[in-house]
Amino acid sequence: QVQLVQSGAEVKKPGASVKVSCKASGYTFNDYYIHWVRQAPRQGLEWMGWINPNSGNTNYAQKFQGRVTMTSDTSISTVYMELSRLKSDDTAVYYCARDLLGYSSGWCSGWGQGTLVTVSS
Amino acid sequence: EIVLTQSPATLSLSPGERATLSCRASQSVTSYLAWYQQKPGQAPRLLIYDSSKRAPGIPARFSGSGSRTDFTLTISSLEPEDFAVYYCQHRSNWPPEHSFGQGTKLEIK
Repeated sequence: QVQLVQSGAEVKKPGASVKVSCKASGYTFNDYYIHWVRQAPRQGLEWMGWINPNSGNTNYAQKFQGRVTMTSDTSISTVYMELSRLKSDDTAVYYCARDLLGYSSGWCSGWGQGTLVTVSS
Repeated sequence: EIVLTQSPATLSLSPGERATLSCRASQSVTSYLAWYQQKPGQAPRLLIYDSSKRAPGIPARFSGSGSRTDFTLTISSLEPEDFAVYYCQHRSNWPPEHSFGQGTKLEIK
């Protein structure tokens, strides 16, 4: 079955960068876009962007442009999300999710377990 | 930028009752709207996409309807496991962003 396993929790200082990994299994990795969504404590969901793992093409939400980088390593079926110049309000659980239909339909089906990133001085 | 507004913020119902949740878009999203369920400490789960299509494995008691700016998620008869937070999400071709509404909490009355 589809499984996305994310890296563990991180604690970072303001101004630092964080890189979260998402390892996929149970399906053909190259055939499905991966989305990243975050959720601040007791807040709603915020879509950050997607990556085509096959081509490496990306699309980022305007809010994160210039600060987020999504990459993929097809040899190990893993995508990465790196967020730079961290601020305290970047404290959130970061999720990766597989696109339902393959290309970027936008619909997130099959989620990782989430990675808590805490930004604190 | 399209803004999704969900109502009500909180809905209090009993098991067996019918739940109706609303999502309104600030401009037309045609039928490009999805619904998700999230329980505490868990990742969201896709329920409905393209306004009315049930995602794989989703029970028939969940249904979606609507188009352009007004959408509804209906749960025909609430089961105990349905009490959760529900989010709507739209898909925009340009700019290509897929933002979420603020959520509706469905709680046991």
